[in-house]
Amino acid sequence: AQSVTQPDIHITVSEGASLELRCNYSYGATPYLFWYVQSPGQGLQLLLKYFSGDTLVQGIKGFEAEFKRSQSSFNLRKPSVHWSDAAEYFCAVFTGNNRKLIWGLGTSLAVNP
Amino acid sequence: ETGVTQSPTHLIKTRGQQVTLRCSSQSGHNTVSWYQQALGQGPQFIFQYYREEENGRGNFPPRFSGLQFPNYSSELNVNALELDDSALYLCASSLAPAGGSLYEQFFGPGTRLTVL
Repeated sequence: AQSVTQPDIHITVSEGASLELRCNYSYGATPYLFWYVQSPGQGLQLLLKYFSGDTLVQGIKGFEAEFKRSQSSFNLRKPSVHWSDAAEYFCAVFTGNNRKLIWGLGTSLAVNP
Repeated sequence: ETGVTQSPTHLIKTRGQQVTLRCSSQSGHNTVSWYQQALGQGPQFIFQYYREEENGRGNFPPRFSGLQFPNYSSELNVNALELDDSALYLCASSLAPAGGSLYEQFFGPGTRLTVL
């Protein structure tokens, strides 16, 4: 069965530090992968997506993610975190079956000043 | 360009009642998907509507039903509410469902439903 695992429930980093949020997926075919961010009281916003091609994808707000098929991973990175990046981050994989997105449980990011 | 809007923002109901949540899709979008997000969880796909017809469904019982109107706005109806239905209900619109992932889903802020 398709699934998405985000191993880190909560991460705290200092402002200006680098960030990596982990995502592992289980899906038999070529995955379509996404990272979304959810701030309190706001809807989910797409940060970036991977469909095919270059395995390093750039997104909004200075985020990037690298698709590694051999590791079934799609980790999100940012070289320097800003206080405004504090939010909940979700990794998701699209399944052609039933046309649905399968989501991880999310990683809550806190940023220390 | 107007984004995805949802109403109401918050709602409190009691067990056994029925509820209707509403979603206005982004201008030009013909597909609406509904998700349930319980506290501390990722969203769970409920169903998707494309051109007024259900176009995919997750593992939710029939008491979760929906509608899409000619203007592509949508409703989510839940009958016989249970305590576990308490969650944030998210609506997302997109340009088309086919290869749905190829078209970004734009999410509304959600409706927070509390069932007592």
